[in-house]
Amino acid sequence: DAKTTQPTSMDCAEGRAANLPCNHSTISGNEYVYWYRQIHSQGPQYIIHGLKNNETNEMASLIITEDRKSSTLILPHATLRDTAVYYCILLRSNYKLTFGKGTLLTVNP
Amino acid sequence: GAVVSQHPSWVICKSGTSVKIECRSLDFQATTMFWYRQFPKQSLMLMATSNEGSKATYEQGVEKDKFLINHASLTLSTLTVTSAHPEDSSFYICSARLDTIYEQYFGPGTRLTVT
Repeated sequence: DAKTTQPTSMDCAEGRAANLPCNHSTISGNEYVYWYRQIHSQGPQYIIHGLKNNETNEMASLIITEDRKSSTLILPHATLRDTAVYYCILLRSNYKLTFGKGTLLTVNP
Repeated sequence: GAVVSQHPSWVICKSGTSVKIECRSLDFQATTMFWYRQFPKQSLMLMATSNEGSKATYEQGVEKDKFLINHASLTLSTLTVTSAHPEDSSFYICSARLDTIYEQYFGPGTRLTVT
């Protein structure tokens, strides 16, 4: 399965946009880009997913480059409650999620 | 919508005993449920995939006789850790998905401590 690369950690000021990058240079044509987050000692929470086009929902926006080799998750107005580990995952038709180490986003007051 | 619950949220048991963890999809019917394990400061590791009415498929290295999974209905899957040992202490998390969508919805997790 194709792998993703994310920074280990990032900081963001409360109220500012948080931009979390993800590299997936070996992505296959049928793989979706999924984002989940995990707040400490809780189960992961689904955020957003996309295949080719940019996507937006009430939580975040997902920007996927035209060659699909990288993507960026954008939290438009980060709050303290957005502090979590964010996982960028490639999902194939077998529906299995392979979690990497993710990015620890710390939102500072 | 898409709420998944787990019970219990935490459990302490003695070495050698068995523990059952329940995973329920509360407002949808889950064709497929997944079980994960997460050790401290590590990422989630998929243990097995279960489809309603059929045997679970275990990931490489996961002992199927130790981690018994039953998916008897479209809203309930159970994980039984048999003859638990201290090294089985971990955070166990389930997820569920509808047949018509890709994304999985996760339960809140169960913290197992074996003494």
